[in-house]
Amino acid sequence: EAGVTQFPSHSVIEKGQTVTLRCDPISGHDNLYWYRRVMGKEIKFLLHFVKESKQDESGMPNNRFLAERTGGTYSTLKVQPAELEDSGVYFCASSLQRGATDTQYFGPGTRLTVL
Amino acid sequence: GENVEQHPSTLSVQEGDSAVIKCTYSDSASNYFPWYKQELGKRPQLIIDIRSNVGEKKDQRIAVTLNKTAKHFSLHITETQPEDSAVYFCAASIYGGSQGNLIFGKGTKLSVKP
Repeated sequence: EAGVTQFPSHSVIEKGQTVTLRCDPISGHDNLYWYRRVMGKEIKFLLHFVKESKQDESGMPNNRFLAERTGGTYSTLKVQPAELEDSGVYFCASSLQRGATDTQYFGPGTRLTVL
Repeated sequence: GENVEQHPSTLSVQEGDSAVIKCTYSDSASNYFPWYKQELGKRPQLIIDIRSNVGEKKDQRIAVTLNKTAKHFSLHITETQPEDSAVYFCAASIYGGSQGNLIFGKGTKLSVKP
């Protein structure tokens, strides 16, 4: 089966610009998570969707970040306006229904560089 | 909230030796502990996980042990090979709960020298 895919793989933008990251989870996975790894530190949770609903967005850094999951399929994460500290690798992960299995399958990540 | 500490940050071993990576967690409600391996330029991949109803789990050269009382768990790799070189992340979460997010340690960069 196809794994989690993310687009783009790399993005270089200037401070103040807008960037939109996309994640396509494994087909049939209700749970979709966004994580971020900044400058070699730990992978940090951003938010969790169950189908199209935001289950937990406690990890979102501030209101410059907006995540959507229209129709409960793919998800987008928009950063507007981008700041230097937003640079890092953004990972998406998906898992099957809660209680069935908690294995989270990760995408390859999007490396975001804000200049 | 949950906090996961991971040690060491870097580990260098000779091919054939064993490697051990240790993690501690703070939230006694956590009951699911996966380990991910991330090779350079690739996605994190689950290599083994353990739930709190067991104390040890093995899969070929990889094993994970869990001490619930002390709130720590460890990854053991025996007979290391150069292809084991990667960054390893431990994580904790609550299985079956409403919050499914993983809390990760900072990672251990393992280098296996031929």
